[in-house]
Amino acid sequence: EAQVTQNPRYLITVTGKKLTVTCSQNMNHEYMSWYRQDPGLGLRQIYYSMNVEVTDKGDVPEGYKVSRKEKRNFPLILESPSPNQTSLYFCASGWGNYEQYFGPGTRLTVT
Amino acid sequence: AQSVTQLDSQVPVFEEAPVELRCNYSSSVSVYLFWYVQYPNQGLQLLLKYLSGSTLVKGINGFEAEFNKSQTSFHLRKPSVHISDTAEYFCAVSGGSNYKLTFGKGTLLTVNP
Repeated sequence: EAQVTQNPRYLITVTGKKLTVTCSQNMNHEYMSWYRQDPGLGLRQIYYSMNVEVTDKGDVPEGYKVSRKEKRNFPLILESPSPNQTSLYFCASGWGNYEQYFGPGTRLTVT
Repeated sequence: AQSVTQLDSQVPVFEEAPVELRCNYSSSVSVYLFWYVQYPNQGLQLLLKYLSGSTLVKGINGFEAEFNKSQTSFHLRKPSVHISDTAEYFCAVSGGSNYKLTFGKGTLLTVNP
């Protein structure tokens, strides 16, 4: 089944404790992206990747890192999480501007 | 730069009534337009998309949308809604060189019996 998977689905952590949210797709997409969703703000792009080893900042990249060592994986790294990073995170992959497929989401709470 | 405005943050309707969710966009480049639906505690599912061609596009679950270039709109419609259509709906636009999807803030559709 064609899909985007994220892990974990739910995570509660404390300020400053490094964490990684994994994202994997099995559709051979070159493009992958991370978004965060906050009430009243919709979804905002954090980082994106056009292909392996090619990443760039989106609209809200502060406090996040990404890497793209393999085509299928695009992990999101929070090296020192803070409470303002409490949010719902979505990974997406797709064929450029034509369509993007979203993962199920990761609900992160930072206390 | 691109932006999307969803004109209604909440739309309550009764079951079997028609509904229209409004979306306006602005962009300096050619656009591709999308509607996504998010059911409670779930991810985003693509309802329909406009890439080119016919301005009336049909999607899943009986939804359709019309692209109006002169009014820069992409309103979503359904002639008769069901309780199961209760969800949040997001309009989005892409078209830039970075393939970013720019989302509106969402419209919560609540279908009441």
